[in-house]
Amino acid sequence: DVKVTQSSRYLVKRTGEKVFLECVQDMDHENMFWYRQDPGLGLRLIYFSYDVKMKEKGDIPEGYSVSREKKERFSLILESASTNQTSMYLCASSLGPNTEAFFGQGTRLTVV
Amino acid sequence: GQNIDQPTEMTATEGAIVQINCTYQTSGFNGLFWYQQHAGEAPTFLSYNVLDGLEEKGRFSSFLSRSKGYSYLLLKELQMKDSASYLCAVKDDYKLSFGAGTTVTVRA
Repeated sequence: DVKVTQSSRYLVKRTGEKVFLECVQDMDHENMFWYRQDPGLGLRLIYFSYDVKMKEKGDIPEGYSVSREKKERFSLILESASTNQTSMYLCASSLGPNTEAFFGQGTRLTVV
Repeated sequence: GQNIDQPTEMTATEGAIVQINCTYQTSGFNGLFWYQQHAGEAPTFLSYNVLDGLEEKGRFSSFLSRSKGYSYLLLKELQMKDSASYLCAVKDDYKLSFGAGTTVTVRA
C-alpha cells in the first residue's frame, strides 16, 4: 500500500520559532510536493522537488524553505514562524510527471 | 502562471447527476487530475485526463478539451457519501497546481 507519512497531525508553535515539518514516502517516488490549504483558497503549492537535492519554488514560497537530502524525505522549514502561517500543510508524492499524487494526512499548524 | 477556476459550491439530490466544471489557463500542460477530499481528510485521486475526450470509471466520468482549457467531472447516481470537496488540478511539467475546490452537498 502506498504511504505518505507526515510527522505530526497537530502542532502549536510560537511566533519566531523555527519549525520543521517532515514528510516521508515509501514508494520510491521521484516527485514530492508541499502545499498549504486554507478555507476558500484551496491547495496552494509552496515548493516541489523532482529529484533528490532538487527543489523548485511553487506559487507561495515566501517564508518557507525545503530540504530533500534523501529520496524518501522532503522537509518543509518555516525559518521564523508567523501567525499568517497558521494553516493545514499537506505533503504529496508522485512517481513521475504524469502519474497521480498521493497525499499525507496533513499537519495542522497553529502559530501563536 | 496558473489560473484554475471551478465553482465554489453545488447541491444535488441523492440519485441525481452533478457536473463540476473546471477551466484552466496554464503555461504548460501535462494532464488534468480530479481529486476527492472529505472533510478533515487528505485528497484522494479520482481521475486523470491527458488526451481530449471522456474517461469513465464507474459512477464517475471526467472529460477534457485541451483546446478550450476545459474539463468536467460527472458524478452519477449520487450517494450521501459523495458529499465532499472535488479538486481540479493541472500538471505543468513537474508542477501540480490545484483549483480552490468545489464543495458538493448531497441531500436526501
